[in-house]
Amino acid sequence: DVKVTQSSRYLVKRTGEKVFLECVQDMDHENMFWYRQDPGLGLRLIYFSYDVKMKEKGDIPEGYSVSREKKERFSLILESASTNQTSMYLCASSSHLGAPANYGYTFGSGTRLTVV
Amino acid sequence: AQRVTQPEKLLSVFKGAPVELKCNYSYSGSPELFWYVQYSRQRLQLLLRHISRESIKGFTADLNKGETSFHLKKPFAQEEDSAMYYCALATGGGSEKLVFGKGTKLTVNP
Repeated sequence: DVKVTQSSRYLVKRTGEKVFLECVQDMDHENMFWYRQDPGLGLRLIYFSYDVKMKEKGDIPEGYSVSREKKERFSLILESASTNQTSMYLCASSSHLGAPANYGYTFGSGTRLTVV
Repeated sequence: AQRVTQPEKLLSVFKGAPVELKCNYSYSGSPELFWYVQYSRQRLQLLLRHISRESIKGFTADLNKGETSFHLKKPFAQEEDSAMYYCALATGGGSEKLVFGKGTKLTVNP
């Protein structure tokens, strides 16, 4: 059973802080993704990665960066947190093999970030 | 541009009634479509995929390319079906990304 683990379930940070959200998957998946989930807006893709040290911008990358130094770990970085980044952040992974058509995504349980 | 539209934010039905959650997509190529579900305080999980033509927990969804739709249906709703449902589109051609709709919150009343 694929597991995607997000390091924190809840985080409270101050405006202007640098914030790190960590995600680890244990099934050797090539693809990893960061989404934010907001009521009425659904899931919006922030960044994704197809391989180690590789990253691509999603639909809403502004104010965020990512790091993928190891295959199993994909970190989302808020360079200077702002109140409009208060949200639920979801990490997901998938395999290259026919994905996502054959296997879909496996999601983490999410990190609810509040910026005050 | 690829887009997924779920026209209903909220849907409320009574137990035992049929339920249909609507999903329309916009994509010029050959789409791959999914339904994901998120139960209260649980992680988002895959419900079903159009390519497998499966029925999961009594739910089915048929891809209608003419109407660009992928509606999710269940003939007799159960209270445990209450959840948030997201329709998602993969654009294929080697793309690994999913585009999600905004979601429909289904409430099944006793």
